[in-house]
Amino acid sequence: GEDVEQSLFLSVREGDSSVINCTYTDSSSTYLYWYKQEPGAGLQLLTYIFSNMDMKQDQRLTVLLNKKDKHLSLRIADTQTGDSAIYFCADPMMDSSYKLIFGSGTRLLVRP
Amino acid sequence: NAGVTQTPKFQVLKTGQSMTLQCAQDMNHEYMSWYRQDPGMGLRLIHYSVGAGITDQGEVPNGYNVSRSTTEDFPLRLLSAAPSQTSVYFCASSYTGGAFFGQGTRLTVV
Repeated sequence: GEDVEQSLFLSVREGDSSVINCTYTDSSSTYLYWYKQEPGAGLQLLTYIFSNMDMKQDQRLTVLLNKKDKHLSLRIADTQTGDSAIYFCADPMMDSSYKLIFGSGTRLLVRP
Repeated sequence: NAGVTQTPKFQVLKTGQSMTLQCAQDMNHEYMSWYRQDPGMGLRLIHYSVGAGITDQGEVPNGYNVSRSTTEDFPLRLLSAAPSQTSVYFCASSYTGGAFFGQGTRLTVV
């Protein structure tokens, strides 16, 4: 079946770069998404990448897509304490671009 | 800028009780969905709707009912709550560029 996998935890020092990784099984998706969840809050759409792109940059965020290896990564430059949150990778299901399969989330802890 | 509004934020139910989780969106999106979030498992799709009058089951639909009488509203009903339904529930409203989520309803069934 379709699946999305992420590592569960990442700890970085403030000012360093963070890289959160994701692997997925369905290669037919037009988009792939990154969401951020702060404690007690809903999911916030951070960014997305079209499947025909290898890289997308948006201020401190860089998304890299390797379609051959079905690997997606999110790099956060100059990580701040406010970036501490859970980050979810999401891949649309094969039968509908609106139905999302989520990874289990990567908890990012930024140490001062 | 309301976006997606869920009520209530917290709820405690006794086993066997019923309740309805409310969800409303003001973005005129056709597609809406309900997910549940359990520790270490990410979000799993319960039910979804592609427009008023049209609903379908997701990955974990058992124990839940939905209806979609208007574009704006998509309520989720628990007919007979069970402890296994203790979870955080999120409603989402989607377009091709992604999904907007409500703030969630934390439900505890005792």
